[in-house]
Amino acid sequence: NAGVMQNPRHLVRRRGQEARLRCSPMKGHSHVYWYRQLPEEGLKFMVYLQKENIIDESGMPKERFSAEFPKEGPSILRIQQVVRGDSAAYFCASSPKTGGWNTEAFFGQGTRLTVV
Amino acid sequence: DAKTTQPNSMESNEEEPVHLPCNHSTISGTDYIHWYRQLPSQGPEYVIHGLTSNVNNRMASLAIAEDRKSSTLILHRATLRDAAVYYCILRDGGAQKLVFGQGTRLTINP
Repeated sequence: NAGVMQNPRHLVRRRGQEARLRCSPMKGHSHVYWYRQLPEEGLKFMVYLQKENIIDESGMPKERFSAEFPKEGPSILRIQQVVRGDSAAYFCASSPKTGGWNTEAFFGQGTRLTVV
Repeated sequence: DAKTTQPNSMESNEEEPVHLPCNHSTISGTDYIHWYRQLPSQGPEYVIHGLTSNVNNRMASLAIAEDRKSSTLILHRATLRDAAVYYCILRDGGAQKLVFGQGTRLTINP
């Protein structure tokens, strides 16, 4: 059973371009979480999704950021018109459908976004 | 989300036990205590979790105080590969998400 797969591992974008980060959860997992980690800082929650639904987006910036988790395919975190301050590591995690707070979350290796 | 308090950093020697403390005085009855760690340049990794009773797994042990206002993660025999930032997190059924604090940066000396 493959772990949480994130791609690309490294992404370089020029200011103003769009960044698309992909996350394939573990097989059988229907809960996906996105986190951002700025250099030398802690992990900040961004958004929690289930298939075709955004459950909690309290950590998402109001503009330029969006996330989706379609019925088929990976979850996508999209950042439009990137700025230098978006440079960070973005981590995705998944957990099973049942169990909620009594289950572990599995994290991917992250996508390191650099905006030049 | 209920808050946890951990020391910023700790240091230990290889092959010795390590006790990482966590205070969570505002814990509620339905909060599970989760521990994750993050090795350099990697994603967080689940370590252990519990509710009331002490828990053991192949990685570590979790000792939970009787009043549940504190807990201790125990690494029985630290190795250099255990050097990481360790996060103590309270997770409740309503929030679902994991809220990370600053964690404890553990350094292991050879």
